[in-house]
Amino acid sequence: EPEVTQTPSHQVTQMGQEVILRCVPISNHLYFYWYRQILGQKVEFLVSFYNNEISEKSEIFDDQFSVERPDGSNFTLKIRSTKLEDSAMYFCASSEGTQSNQPQHFGDGTRLSIL
Amino acid sequence: QKEVEQNSGPLSVPEGAIASLNCTYSDRGSQSFFWYRQYSGKSPELIMFIYSNGDKEDGRFTAQLNKASQYVSLLIRDSQPSDSATYLCAVDGGGADGLTFGKGTHLIIQP
Repeated sequence: EPEVTQTPSHQVTQMGQEVILRCVPISNHLYFYWYRQILGQKVEFLVSFYNNEISEKSEIFDDQFSVERPDGSNFTLKIRSTKLEDSAMYFCASSEGTQSNQPQHFGDGTRLSIL
Repeated sequence: QKEVEQNSGPLSVPEGAIASLNCTYSDRGSQSFFWYRQYSGKSPELIMFIYSNGDKEDGRFTAQLNKASQYVSLLIRDSQPSDSATYLCAVDGGGADGLTFGKGTHLIIQP
């Protein structure tokens, strides 16, 4: 069964450094998403992306975050100047469309640890 | 502010019994409703989705939706120890909106 793949599985970065998290969505999917989950808390929406532009973003997705689809397969999340509170699991998800019967499928996540 | 509420548990159910998980949501405009299972340290795994009032069955799982009461539930029949996990209720407002998740219910199936 096709799946969303994310790399790396674990990223350790010094505070203030830039980090790029990578995702390969399911090949026929058109909508891409990033979520984060701080340890012990709920999954929170960051941003959705369609047709090479941001569709929606949450309050969390401020100027330090950016997303890009640099080629036909990868979808990246960049955090420009990381802070301690950015430590979390980051999940990429994709869906065929936005109809009710086209659910989002999640990757295994990247655990980001900011020191 | 969209909210999704779930009882965090833990909910302890004997093996072979029916586990009943509940969820309420605040936004009446919500269109689609999802149940994800999350094992500790892992990603959410889609179990079921529902968008029409009533029941939807898939194997041992039944999702129930009542839009008038803004209530979604998940029933797991013949519960197995492998069903022990956190079950996340998620709500979609439509379009390319992200999902709004509840905090999840921790389910423990006792052998």
